[in-house]
Amino acid sequence: NAGVTQTPKFRILKIGQSMTLQCTQDMNHNYMYWYRQDPGMGLKLIYYSVGAGITDKGEVPNGYNVSRSTTEDFPLRLELAAPSQTSVYFCASSYKGALRNTEAFFGQGTRLTVV
Amino acid sequence: GNSVTQMEGPVTLSEEAFLTINCTYTATGYPSLFWYVQYPGEGLQLLLKATKADDKGSNKGFEATYRKETTSFHLEKGSVQVSDSAVYFCALIPNSGNTPLVFGKGTRLSVIA
Repeated sequence: NAGVTQTPKFRILKIGQSMTLQCTQDMNHNYMYWYRQDPGMGLKLIYYSVGAGITDKGEVPNGYNVSRSTTEDFPLRLELAAPSQTSVYFCASSYKGALRNTEAFFGQGTRLTVV
Repeated sequence: GNSVTQMEGPVTLSEEAFLTINCTYTATGYPSLFWYVQYPGEGLQLLLKATKADDKGSNKGFEATYRKETTSFHLEKGSVQVSDSAVYFCALIPNSGNTPLVFGKGTRLSVIA
């Protein structure tokens, strides 16, 4: 009954450091997403994936990288962290197929501060 | 392209008032439509959904009807409570193509006693 699991929940990075935000889902969903949400703002799509081995840029991909080597996992890599990347990051997954689409299920978020 | 337009917030209502949050969409074909809610300090959770024209989604006293003719999916509740204070997001996923979930910008609702 895990759904979408993100780790860590909180992190403080220094400018220029790198880190990977982990995301895993156990619902056999083909679509996975990474969003960022700045304070008081809506969601901005960073990257998404429609299946293992396939990734695409969203609205704000600069400064981030992703990979999708398995159906379950969709890690987000921050290289050379900058203060502008201070945000709350949400991972989500959904199923999209010929006969049905599910809603997106969200992780609990990772609150990242870059100082 | 695909897009979702929500009414700008914030919306402030007194307890037991009627709520409407407007949502219109642009999409190819017939998308699935969703309303998500985000309570303070939490992630997003699905509130309700509709997958075809004229479907009505409902949950926790909230309702929204998929109107193909007006490309709308307005969220309504007859009597809001303080506990409904949250940010509400309208979203769609197109039924064709490898296109991702699309969100509106969100509408913040504050309900005062």
